[in-house]
Amino acid sequence: DIQMTQSPSSMSASLGDTVTINCLASQDIGNYLSWYQQKPGKSPKLMIYGATNLEDGVPSRFSGSRSGSDYSLTINSLGYDDEGIYHCHQYYEYPWTFGGGTKLELK
Amino acid sequence: EVQLVESGGGLVQPGRSMKLSCAASGFTFSNYGMAWVRQAPTKGLEWVATISYDGSSTYYRDSVKGRFTISRDNAKSTLYLQMNSLRSEDMATYYCTRDGFWGPGTMVTVSS
Repeated sequence: DIQMTQSPSSMSASLGDTVTINCLASQDIGNYLSWYQQKPGKSPKLMIYGATNLEDGVPSRFSGSRSGSDYSLTINSLGYDDEGIYHCHQYYEYPWTFGGGTKLELK
Repeated sequence: EVQLVESGGGLVQPGRSMKLSCAASGFTFSNYGMAWVRQAPTKGLEWVATISYDGSSTYYRDSVKGRFTISRDNAKSTLYLQMNSLRSEDMATYYCTRDGFWGPGTMVTVSS
C-alpha cells in the first residue's frame, strides 16, 4: 500500500500568516493527489486535485505544489474560515490512501 | 448541483449485517465511478470500496474483502454498501463520494 506521511499533525498560526502542509508519498503517485478541508461534524471538502489544480469556488489563497514525491498545500493570508483538518489523498492506485491529517488552528 | 445523501446507518450488533444506501442527484449517475470512504470517531479517512460506472469492476480494502459488497442501481441513481459480519473496527461515519463530491455521511455504530 502507498503510505502518505502528512506533516505537521497540528499547527497554530495567526491571521494573515502563510502556512504549508506537506505529504510525502512512499512511492510514485504522479499528480494523483488531492487535498481536502474538513470542518468539525462535516464531510471533507475538495480544495486541490491533480496535485496543483484549484477546485472551483476555492479561494486562490490556496495552492498545491509537488516536488518529486513531496506534495504541499499552501494557504496564504490565513483567515478564521481556514481552520479545520486538512487531508491529503492519493488516488493513483488501490487501495486509495489518505494522510493522517493536519489540524490547523488560528491563534 | 451534485447531491449525495447516505442512509441506512445506525446501531448494529457485532457479527450482524447492515446495508447503506446513497441517493445521487444532480448528475448522470451512470457515467461515474463511485466510492465509499469511512472515518472512525476522531480518526482519519479510510477508503473502503469503489465501483466502476457500470458496476463491472469493484475494488475493496483488504480488511473488508469478503464481508462488504459495493453495488449500484443506475436506474435508481443509488449506490449501496452491504456490510456483513460487522466488527467493532467497522464503526465509523460512512461517506459516499464521487470525484471529490461527498455526502454528509451516515454513522454506523457496532456494539452489543
